[in-house]
Amino acid sequence: GQQVMQIPQYQHVQEGEDFTTYCNSSTTLSNIQWYKQRPGGHPVFLIQLVKSGEVKKQKRLTFQFGEAKKNSSLHITATQTTDVGTYFCAGRNTSYGKLTFGQGTILTVHP
Amino acid sequence: DAGITQSPRHKVTETGTPVTLRCHQTENHRYMYWYRQDPGHGLRLIHYSYGVKDTDKGEVSDGYSVSRSKTEDFLLTLESATSSQTSVYFCAISEDRGLGTEAFFGQGTRLTVV
Repeated sequence: GQQVMQIPQYQHVQEGEDFTTYCNSSTTLSNIQWYKQRPGGHPVFLIQLVKSGEVKKQKRLTFQFGEAKKNSSLHITATQTTDVGTYFCAGRNTSYGKLTFGQGTILTVHP
Repeated sequence: DAGITQSPRHKVTETGTPVTLRCHQTENHRYMYWYRQDPGHGLRLIHYSYGVKDTDKGEVSDGYSVSRSKTEDFLLTLESATSSQTSVYFCAISEDRGLGTEAFFGQGTRLTVV
């Protein structure tokens, strides 16, 4: 079945440093989504990418979808302590198919 | 936050007992999902539903069953709980409006099987 792998599992950064998490799928995806989960909370939707090679930005966050629609990345510029949490990618291989999550990257930001 | 409620929020149960977790939505969304979250495994899909009485298995469905008799309710049942089912369970919903849509998550249920 479809597998979505995410690396790294953990990332510790100093406040102000950049952060990147990568997501790879075993199959071509119809779309990919990114979620953030604060400690003790539930996952919250950040963004969806649909087109091959798509790049979207949300303030300090940059999301990319690979040309082959099998990989994606999330980059945070100049991390802040409010960025702490777990970042998940989630992919579908059809528009309405089940949503398969990666293992998540736990981000710790040291002030 | 989307209108999605999980109950109970916390439960401790004994091995071998049946357990039912409830997910209730007020958004009239078509799709509902049950995930479990464990350290190092992220969110793993247990079962999902694409309409009333329409359900399908996810990647970790063994030992779990679901039912959806009404649009707003999606029940997850552990017929005979085991310690390996100790986890945090999240329900999620999403609507049907083309090109895929985001999932909204409930607050989670922390289940401990002793």
